[in-house]
Amino acid sequence: DAGVIQSPRHEVTEMGQEVTLRCKPISGHNSLFWYRQTMMRGLELLIYFNNNVPIDDSGMPEDRFSAKMPNASFSTLKIQPSEPRDSAVYFCASSPRANNEQFFGPGTRLTVL
Amino acid sequence: GESVGLHLPTLSVQEGDNSIINCAYSNSASDYFIWYKQESGKGPQFIIDIRSNMDKRQGQRVTVLLNKTVKHLSLQIAATQPGDSAVYFCAENVDSYGKLTFGQGTILTVHP
Repeated sequence: DAGVIQSPRHEVTEMGQEVTLRCKPISGHNSLFWYRQTMMRGLELLIYFNNNVPIDDSGMPEDRFSAKMPNASFSTLKIQPSEPRDSAVYFCASSPRANNEQFFGPGTRLTVL
Repeated sequence: GESVGLHLPTLSVQEGDNSIINCAYSNSASDYFIWYKQESGKGPQFIIDIRSNMDKRQGQRVTVLLNKTVKHLSLQIAATQPGDSAVYFCAENVDSYGKLTFGQGTILTVHP
């Protein structure tokens, strides 16, 4: 298996632009998680899905952030409009079921100028 | 201006020494725990896990100990190698969907 796939690996954009991050979970995994990691705040859970349904989005910082999971093999995290303070590494992880490890993707390093 | 960030605990050891990384968890109802290793520029990688019906589990060069009485988790790495240098996170499973709550992390530096 290829593992969790994220794209792009690096994104540099200007303040005000829309940013879309993409994730392909491991086939057969039922849960998908989006995290943000910064030096200031560490690893933060933004939102997670189970069987493509959002379960908890209380970690999403603002209305500028939205996430979708249209099918079991694809999810997006969108920031519109982006701001410099959104600069971070965004990780996607998937898990086959509860009480099981989460498998992390390589992350997307986002820089908003 | 001065930048302010998380002040992660750090552990520096010599190559060949044993390392012990500690973690306190918050939820007494948590029944599953994981240790992750994160190297620079990479996502967290699974090291070892333990369920709440156990108090010790061993892997290759790693051992996890769980003390539910005081809500404490530790990771022991035997014969630490320079390649073990990374940030180590403990995580606890907090719901039926697999949501994990992560600790702040510990920086391990192994000197040759």
